[in-house]
Amino acid sequence: AQKVTQAQTEISVVEKEDVTLDCVYETRDTTYYLFWYKQPPSGELVFLIRRNSFDEQNEISGRYSWNFQKSTSSFNFTITASQVVDSAVYFCALSEAEAAGNKLTFGGGTRVLVKP
Amino acid sequence: DTEVTQTPKHLVMGMTNKKSLKCEQHMGHRAMYWYKQKAKKPPELMFVYSYEKLSINESVPSRFSPECPNSSLLNLHLHALQPEDSALYLCASSQDPVGDQPQHFGDGTRLSIL
Repeated sequence: AQKVTQAQTEISVVEKEDVTLDCVYETRDTTYYLFWYKQPPSGELVFLIRRNSFDEQNEISGRYSWNFQKSTSSFNFTITASQVVDSAVYFCALSEAEAAGNKLTFGGGTRVLVKP
Repeated sequence: DTEVTQTPKHLVMGMTNKKSLKCEQHMGHRAMYWYKQKAKKPPELMFVYSYEKLSINESVPSRFSPECPNSSLLNLHLHALQPEDSALYLCASSQDPVGDQPQHFGDGTRLSIL
């Protein structure tokens, strides 16, 4: 069965510091998809990125970057020069191509607190 | 603003009440989902609707009854809930019910059972 582990439950940084969120996953499928979502206090989960298992290119979007390493089953997320608005809970999630219904397996989440 | 709209945002109900949660999307998505999220936990999948048909029920108690009246609407009917059912209920949608499709979430309904 698939599993997603986010070992860090909470990270506290001061504004402008960089913060890296770890995500390790387990799956037996050869085709799978990894996601990151942001959940601010308002409650809505905001989709940030999708990466498929065939594409190990790292990606950068503004202050966000993602490092996918299939060899270590990791999909880490870095926020550069953090801002107070980055304070939220971040979830890493996995879905498998063979699984019916687009079922997402979420990690436990990492709460990021950015202090001014 | 989220493209998935959930109403109401907050709901307080007694254990004998009947109420409904509503979810609406106008993105033409063909898969819709209900999740339950307890405090400091990740969302847990409850139901999946694919092309307006219930495709997944994650062994949810019958006091929760989903309904998909059309491709844009998803309801969750609540009856005889227990205090442990107090949680944030999230609705989501995706273009298709396949693994590469990101799910888009609403703001949720915060439900409190007295």
